[in-house]
Amino acid sequence: EAGVAQSPRYKIIEKRQSVAFWCNPISGHATLYWYQQILGQGPKLLIQFQNNGVVDDSQLPKDRFSAERLKGVDSTLKIQPAKLEDSAVYLCASSQVGTGELFFGEGSRLTVL
Amino acid sequence: GDSVTQMEGPVTLSEEAFLTINCTYTATGYPSLFWYVQYPGEGLQLLLKATKADDKGSNKGFEATYRKETTSFHLEKGSVQVTDSAVYFCALKGPNAGKSTFGDGTTLTVKP
Repeated sequence: EAGVAQSPRYKIIEKRQSVAFWCNPISGHATLYWYQQILGQGPKLLIQFQNNGVVDDSQLPKDRFSAERLKGVDSTLKIQPAKLEDSAVYLCASSQVGTGELFFGEGSRLTVL
Repeated sequence: GDSVTQMEGPVTLSEEAFLTINCTYTATGYPSLFWYVQYPGEGLQLLLKATKADDKGSNKGFEATYRKETTSFHLEKGSVQVTDSAVYFCALKGPNAGKSTFGDGTTLTVKP
C-alpha cells in the first residue's frame, strides 16, 4: 500500500514570496490533515479536511495561508506572502474515518530567507 | 483547549537500560492517546495507542498505560537498543472527529 506522498521535499524562498505544497493521501482515507512543525516543537494542526469539506481550520493564519482539497483526494497548501517565521516542516497526514491513527508523509521542509 | 506535556529531552541511555518518557495531558471528554515515533530521516509513524482508561498499548517492546486518574500515558521499555534512537511524540485525539494534539517530542539516543 502506497503511503502519503508529499512534494516538494525541500523549498527555499525569500520572504514575501509564495510557495505551494502538495499532498496525496493514502487511497480511501477520507480525512486529511496539514500540520506545521517548527524545529524543536511538536506538530501543530493547521487544517483538517473530511472528504473535501473543512472540519477545523481554527489555527490556520488565513491572511497568508490557504488550503484546498479538490475532489476529496489530493490537497494543496499555499503560503502567500511567506514570512521568516513560516520556516518549518509542513506535514501532511491522512486517516480513515472513525480511527485515531494518523499516517504521515515525510514532510516538506520550508526555509524562508 | 487540549494539550500534551512531555518530559524534556534529550535522553541518552546505554543499550539495555530501562526507558521511561513521561507524558501528561489535559483534555475535555475522553480522548484516545498515542505515541508516535520518528526515526532519523523518516516520517512520523504510530508506535502504540490506547483508546480508553486502563488500556495498555504495546508494540516493539514498548508499553504505555492510559491512566485517567493521573491524566498520564508514560512510555516504557525494559531494555532499549541502539535502533530505538529516535524522537518520540505523545499525542491525544479528541472524541468523534476531534483533532490530534501533539507534545513537543523527546529525543532518545541509545549508545552501544
